[in-house]
Amino acid sequence: NAGVTQTPKFRVLKTGQSMTLLCAQDMNHEYMYWYRQDPGMGLRLIHYSVGEGTTAKGEVPDGYNVSRLKKQNFLLGLESAAPSQTSVYFCASAPGSGSSYNEQFFGPGTRLTVL
Amino acid sequence: GESVGLHLPTLSVQEGDNSIINCAYSNSASDYFIWYKQESGKGPQFIIDIRSNMDKRQGQRVTVLLNKTVKHLSLQIAATQPGDSAVYFCAEMRGYSTLTFGKGTMLLVSP
Repeated sequence: NAGVTQTPKFRVLKTGQSMTLLCAQDMNHEYMYWYRQDPGMGLRLIHYSVGEGTTAKGEVPDGYNVSRLKKQNFLLGLESAAPSQTSVYFCASAPGSGSSYNEQFFGPGTRLTVL
Repeated sequence: GESVGLHLPTLSVQEGDNSIINCAYSNSASDYFIWYKQESGKGPQFIIDIRSNMDKRQGQRVTVLLNKTVKHLSLQIAATQPGDSAVYFCAEMRGYSTLTFGKGTMLLVSP
């Protein structure tokens, strides 16, 4: 049981390039989330999904797109990277039901630098 | 904007002491308040939560207190150990278990 995994762990992009971050969970969780964390800050919610085929905007969605084609995967895309998107990106999942429905499990993070 | 904040950016304690980390919030409509621990280079890890209709909840070596009158949340860690050194975040939970995080408090435990 690997929990929540993220690919890649590190990435450097040039301004204007695109990339996709992959999040996978093997806990059969309904809910999945993408956050970003800037130095000295708490995490901020980018987008989230409450089930396969559904997505919703979080606090800071601009410049990002997401897709949840399979229940276990949640993809975060940057179409045209900007230096302001330099950050550490965390994916999380939560059961969505049951006694621990609200407990989010986080992945190890992806460190992205945009030059 | 930010609706959850922390009073102290860094807290230094001696091993064996009790630690208290404080947090203020502004949104009275949150369902749950949650504490997370983040070690260097890792993702946040759930510690304990408290439902908005409770004022105290205890876990293993940790206690969370919620004072809705002054919109204040605290995390108490008993007998703090070096392994407790990390950044601690409070977060408020709203619909679909979405979280709004505060900026974090770094806890430094010296032997």
